[in-house]
Amino acid sequence: GENVEQHPSTLSVQEGDSAVIKCTYSDSASNYFPWYKQELGKGPQLIIDIRSNVGEKKDQRIAVTLNKTAKHFSLHITETQPEDSAVYFCAASKGQAGTALIFGKGTTLSVSS
Amino acid sequence: DTGVSQNPRHKITKRGQNVTFRCDPISEHNRLYWYRQTLGQGPEFLTYFQNEAQLEKSRLLSDRFSAERPKGSFSTLEIQRTEQGDSAMYLCAGVGQGTGELFFGEGSRLTVL
Repeated sequence: GENVEQHPSTLSVQEGDSAVIKCTYSDSASNYFPWYKQELGKGPQLIIDIRSNVGEKKDQRIAVTLNKTAKHFSLHITETQPEDSAVYFCAASKGQAGTALIFGKGTTLSVSS
Repeated sequence: DTGVSQNPRHKITKRGQNVTFRCDPISEHNRLYWYRQTLGQGPEFLTYFQNEAQLEKSRLLSDRFSAERPKGSFSTLEIQRTEQGDSAMYLCAGVGQGTGELFFGEGSRLTVL
């Protein structure tokens, strides 16, 4: 089955710096790659996603890149702010109805002002 | 607010007791997922419903676990004869038609003493 690995497990940056989180997946049939942000005491919330037919997607300060050949995808956050501090999860699935999302173990991002 | 509500938010029980969690998605969520999340880990897939039909179960879902979704609306997850290893956050997520995005609830945290 699918296996998703995520690095780093913790990341500390200064406000205004960029943050990059990387994930690799094992199943070449996976074609849907979302990123979720989880704040303390809350459920994960989707922040951006990408499908295998594109290589990059951007939404304001957040961007995701996908390299299907290498089977890895990354989250880029620019101009980080203290409110970006949270746990971020990458996930992968085949994108078919009912196919479960497989999550990475998460990255705890701390943005200090 | 994702529109997915879970109850109870916290449950403390003694080993060997039964517990039941409820998830109420919005009416547009024809697909419903249960995930389990332990401290420092990403959500792990447990089971999935398409309307009222339970279509997939993870091997994590032992015979002490049972999930239902009568009438394709709310769902319940019951754990019988709880064990300390069942202590975790149980997350429910709804998926709308035509999208792969999971809308998570706030979760139900179980502590087994």
